[in-house]
This record gives sequence, structure tokens and C-alpha cells, in this order.
Amino acid sequence: DADVTQTPRNRITKTGKRIMLECSQTKGHDRMYWYRQDPGLGLRLIYYSFDVKDINKGEISDGYSVSRQAQAKFSLSLESAIPNQTALYFCATSPDSRETQYFGPGTRLLVL
Amino acid sequence: SQQGEEDPQALSIQEGENATMNCSYKTSINNLQWYRQNSGRGLVHLILIRSNEREKHSGRLRVTLDTSKKSSSLLITASRAADTASYFCAPLNTGNQFYFGTGTSLTVIP
Repeated sequence: DADVTQTPRNRITKTGKRIMLECSQTKGHDRMYWYRQDPGLGLRLIYYSFDVKDINKGEISDGYSVSRQAQAKFSLSLESAIPNQTALYFCATSPDSRETQYFGPGTRLLVL
Repeated sequence: SQQGEEDPQALSIQEGENATMNCSYKTSINNLQWYRQNSGRGLVHLILIRSNEREKHSGRLRVTLDTSKKSSSLLITASRAADTASYFCAPLNTGNQFYFGTGTSLTVIP
């Protein structure tokens, strides 16, 4: 089984809808991250969490919120989806801020 | 931008040739990592080089780091068709945040 899983893998939604992307990990890491990837722009950090009680904004947090329900679960919400949030979303974990990040398979989101 | 910037954006080579990708960055770093991404899939960590290291090897991979020039290179020797992917550098700044570049798209022609 994969160490970092994301659900759903693909999602189509309409402008204005609220959606949640979920991430689970079995690696036992405290640190978890949400990124989005757009063609030609690389990965950009949305939010990150160092533990259940520590959540921080990343480079592009506007329009997003997160919830760290447990060490193993980190969810990303789009409160009111808009078309420019169409992207590939990745969750990642790491044992330490300075070490390797382990990525999930990604969620492809299309906002119409 | 604090991003790493890879060069070239795209690279096409024949199987068996070596592939070299470069990364430049702007801030002081704790370490620099290279990741690989197969089309539409998650990133996979390849190698980490710390700021006090100049060169590191892992199998067919060789990474160099020149902190005075704020640059790094990734060399893949004896490339294979399976090496076709996008490669990203991720400098870790002194605030312990990664900034991924836009990647080099490598195509290895069988």
C-alpha cells in the first residue's frame, strides 16, 4: 500500500462549490504539506503543518483552508471554488523540515 | 522569487547519452534536493546535497553544488528510456522552506 494517499484522484466541480481534498499517510511523519502544480509554474506551497496543533500558510494560501485531523490526516478545502484553482494538487510528508519530502499521487481538480 | 530555476526547460537525448540539468537559486540554503516526476504523478526524491557538500553520487546520478555561484547540477549518466520525466530542484532556504523550480523535461529516445 502507498505510504501517502490522496482522495479523490480526480474531481470536476463547478464554480462556487465547496470541496475537500484529503491526504492520509502511514509514514508516521509529523510534517505535512499541500502544494499545487500548474503547467509552467512548478509546485507552489499552499499550507503546511508541523504537527496537529501547528498549521502555517504557504506561498499561495488565499482561497484555501486546511484541517489537520490527526497526525496521519491533512485535508485541504476550497471554500468556494473558482476556475483558476484548476490544477494538480499534491500532498507531501516529511520527518523533518530539512529532509526528504514524500509525495502522494496527486489530485487533478477541474473547476468549471 | 526564491524558486530554484532549472535550465534547460526541455532536453531531448538518445539512450546511452548523459543528461545534464542545471539549477540556480537566489538565497542562502541549508540543502538542495532533486526530485523526479513522471507525467502527472507525484514527485519522487532522488538526492539531497547539503550546503557544506560539493558533490554527491547515487547510482547513475551525480549532483554538484556551488554555493558561491548559487547553482547546482544533476548529471544522469548512460540514460535510459525510463529516465524520461521532469526533474525539479528544490533549494531549502535557511527558513527551512522548499521552493521548487519549474522543472526540466527530459526525453530519452530509445
